[in-house]
Amino acid sequence: EAGVAQSPRYKIIEKRQSVAFWCNPISGHATLYWYQQILGQGPKLLIQFQNNGVVDDSQLPKDRFSAERLKGVDSTLKIQPAKLEDSAVYLCASIPRWASGSPGELFFGEGSRLTVL
Amino acid sequence: AQSVSQHNHHVILSEAASLELGCNYSYGGTVNLFWYVQYPGQHLQLLLKYFSGDPLVKGIKGFEAEFIKSKFSFNLRKPSVQWSDTAEYFCAVNAPNSGYSTLTFGKGTMLLVSP
Repeated sequence: EAGVAQSPRYKIIEKRQSVAFWCNPISGHATLYWYQQILGQGPKLLIQFQNNGVVDDSQLPKDRFSAERLKGVDSTLKIQPAKLEDSAVYLCASIPRWASGSPGELFFGEGSRLTVL
Repeated sequence: AQSVSQHNHHVILSEAASLELGCNYSYGGTVNLFWYVQYPGQHLQLLLKYFSGDPLVKGIKGFEAEFIKSKFSFNLRKPSVQWSDTAEYFCAVNAPNSGYSTLTFGKGTMLLVSP
């Protein structure tokens, strides 16, 4: 079974530039998460999708971050304009449809490491 | 809101030493508890989980964790660590019956095992 795919693995940009990250969850996984992991901290939830609908985006900085999952499969997270403090690893995770109500094991991708200069 | 505290940010051990990583959470209701591990260059993966039942949970690679409700703790243990256990360990919690179904992670503990 293929895992959660993310790209790009690494991205370096200057502040005020824009960047986009892509995630393809495990086939059949209805729930998709984007987490931000700043160096020295644990992952922090940015947004949760159930199919193509947003379940929780309360911690997403909506003035600069946006995310979409138009067809309920893959997802894109965009940052525009980027700030220095956005330097982090952006993790995508998914869970099976049957676990949506009480997620246990999240299946994570390898992450996209963003450096903002 | 729930929160998770991991007591040690960095732990250095020699091979064969015993390991205990502390984890405390702040939510008073029913919780699910998890330990995730991230080996160098790899993605986060589940080490073990507690939903209910026996508070002593056994996971992969000889790890175990004990849920102590009265102490709001879920400490991770291993009797004898190996060099290959070098990784970052994250404790996580959710409280699905109270609207906190998403996982909240601790800051992580970096374990370095010297050969």
